[in-house]
Amino acid sequence: DAGVTQSPTHLIKTRGQHVTLRCSPISGHKSVSWYQQVLGQGPQFIFQYYEKEERGRGNFPDRFSARQFPNYSSELNVNALLLGDSALYLCASSLTRDRYSGANVLTFGAGSRLTVL
Amino acid sequence: AQKITQTQPGMFVQEKEAVTLDCTYDTSDPSYGLFWYKQPSSGEMIFLIYQGSYDQQNATEGRYSLNFQKARKSANLVISASQLGDSAMYFCAMSPMNTGNQFYFGTGTSLTVIP
Repeated sequence: DAGVTQSPTHLIKTRGQHVTLRCSPISGHKSVSWYQQVLGQGPQFIFQYYEKEERGRGNFPDRFSARQFPNYSSELNVNALLLGDSALYLCASSLTRDRYSGANVLTFGAGSRLTVL
Repeated sequence: AQKITQTQPGMFVQEKEAVTLDCTYDTSDPSYGLFWYKQPSSGEMIFLIYQGSYDQQNATEGRYSLNFQKARKSANLVISASQLGDSAMYFCAMSPMNTGNQFYFGTGTSLTVIP
C-alpha cells in the first residue's frame, strides 16, 4: 500500500504569493493533519481534519487555510507568503485510536519544502 | 499548557552500543499518548514507538524501548545495539486526549552513530 503522499516536494515562491500543498492519506485513513517544521525545530501543528471537518487548528494566522475532500485527500493553502513561512510542511494521516489515551499514531509523508524569497 | 523538552541537542554513540535519548513532558491531561519519531535527512518522520499514559509496562519495539516514568513525566527512548543507519534526528511527541489528535513535538536530538 502507498504511504502518505505529498506534492510538490520542493517549491520556491516570492513574498506575497500564494501556495497550495496537497496530501493524499493512506487508504482507509480518514484523518489528515498538517504540521510546519522550521529548520532546527520540531513540527508545529497547523490543522487537523477528520471526515472533511476541521477538528483542530494551531496557532497560525488566517493566511493559513485547509480543506479535506470526499476522498479524504487534503490541501493546505497559504496566502500572502512571508519569508518566515519557509519551512518543511508535513502531512500526516491516522487510523488507529488507543481507547484509553485517545492518541492516534500519525503516519507522515515526506513533506513539501517551501522556500520563500 | 503542553510542553515537550528534549535537552540533548546532539548525541554520539559507538556502533553496537546502547544509547538513551531524554524526553520530559508537561500536561495537565490525565490521558495522553507519548511517541518517538525518527527523521533522517530525507525529511520523512518515521514512527518508532508509542506509550499510552495508562500503560503499566514500558513499550518495546525491536531495538527500541521507551523508559516511561509517569511520576517524573519522562519518556526516554533507549536504542540498543546502535547501527549506522540510526544516525538521524529523533523527536519526542505527546498527544493529550483533550486536544483531539494534536501532537506536541520537542526540538529533537541529533544522533550520530560512530563506526
